[in-house]
Amino acid sequence: QSALTQPPSASGSPGQSVTISCTGTSSDVGGYNFVSWYQQHPGKAPKLIIYEVNKRPSGVPDRFSGSKSGNTASLTVSGLQAEDEADYYCYSYAGRNNVFGTGTRVAIL
Amino acid sequence: EVQLVESGGGVVQAGGSLRLSCAASGFTFSTFWMHWVRQAPGKGLVWVSRINSDVTTTDYADSVKGRFTISRDNAKNTLYLQMNSLRADDTAVYYCARAGVPAANDLWGQGTLVTVSP
Repeated sequence: QSALTQPPSASGSPGQSVTISCTGTSSDVGGYNFVSWYQQHPGKAPKLIIYEVNKRPSGVPDRFSGSKSGNTASLTVSGLQAEDEADYYCYSYAGRNNVFGTGTRVAIL
Repeated sequence: EVQLVESGGGVVQAGGSLRLSCAASGFTFSTFWMHWVRQAPGKGLVWVSRINSDVTTTDYADSVKGRFTISRDNAKNTLYLQMNSLRADDTAVYYCARAGVPAANDLWGQGTLVTVSP
């Protein structure tokens, strides 16, 4: 049950795009199309922004998109806005358990 | 209003026990898988446990297996986490979450803080 690997930080200027990677194994990310992504602002509960690799819940802007290739999933945030500054976590189903990524702090320059 | 509200957190000595509750409202609680997730101060999210809708399946992270027990009372719309043999590294905010879409948590509570003193 090792955490999925994410870069500690990422950044971009308003209007630019940022992509966050999430690397696991064939037992989690690579084995199922059940990767989701969460946004968390300081002191707040996480918010679901992507599920089943690339589906967006109602109300989540289409600036957020997800993809997967092999054991690595990715989240892209396009047209960065000030409110996108937050921590982002990937999450994968892994059979008899679930596992989160290590988290990535996105800063808006 | 659709919401989850956790309670039961507090300060406990190492080796002690605590039971967390998560009250659900505004949706048909009995039809959803439910999860517990924790976050140590300044650290990332960690999956703790899950339970299916009819209580026939429960799963745990290795770090809590044998010490924590997840349960639910569908008549009371409430999820529980019984935590025994608590250790300092169990100190965290504990969130309950609903799995409203496949293998993802679409509704979260506000969290309850558990502090285990050495």
